[in-house]
Amino acid sequence: DQQVKQNSPSLSVQEGRISILNCDYTNSMFDYFLWYKKYPAEGPTFLISISSIKDKNEDGRFTVFLNKSAKHLSLHIVPSQPGDSAVYFCAATRGGADGLTFGKGTHLIIQP
Amino acid sequence: SAVISQKPSRDICQRGTSLTIQCQVDSQVTMMFWYRQQPGQSLTLIATANQGSEATYESGFVIDKFPISRPNLTFSTLTVSNMSPEDSSIYLCSYSLGETQYFGPGTRLLVL
Repeated sequence: DQQVKQNSPSLSVQEGRISILNCDYTNSMFDYFLWYKKYPAEGPTFLISISSIKDKNEDGRFTVFLNKSAKHLSLHIVPSQPGDSAVYFCAATRGGADGLTFGKGTHLIIQP
Repeated sequence: SAVISQKPSRDICQRGTSLTIQCQVDSQVTMMFWYRQQPGQSLTLIATANQGSEATYESGFVIDKFPISRPNLTFSTLTVSNMSPEDSSIYLCSYSLGETQYFGPGTRLLVL
């Protein structure tokens, strides 16, 4: 039973436009949500996170939105750049000593 | 964040053998984790490794198959025992800083 779902395996966006990656979760005990970016043959790189007490967190071109009632979060990248092409993973945790539960990832392709 | 490294970066092994993967962090950290990413799949938590105590394994993972050591606050090992082709995966270690986890580059394992 997948507790973190990314329903879009891939997404193609034109350079300069906004990329929106979506993530849904089912476990209401999750307290903290993270986005990671992964290139082939590398480990995941932390991008941005959000606590369940917030509904928005922004860091440069990256903004994460959390809708707790819908159990949904999204990552906005604006403007999208060619170097953003990668697989993006959504992850969630209850915090403390708990590990992360990951979605299956979305392959973002930025078209020139 | 601290620098985290893994050895080996990749290996090809024969079924029935064992491989030990090393994970090194360049500063002391309390919590370390081990994950597996099977081909085409997401990252799955294997176990949490704390210094001075037994590792805590997730459902579906057992100590006999994946023994873990955590001899100090900068180092951990994961052994994949009695390997079969189904163990072919990327194995990743991570450490936590607050609620955020930082990942190593991964070890690509192919079992023939």
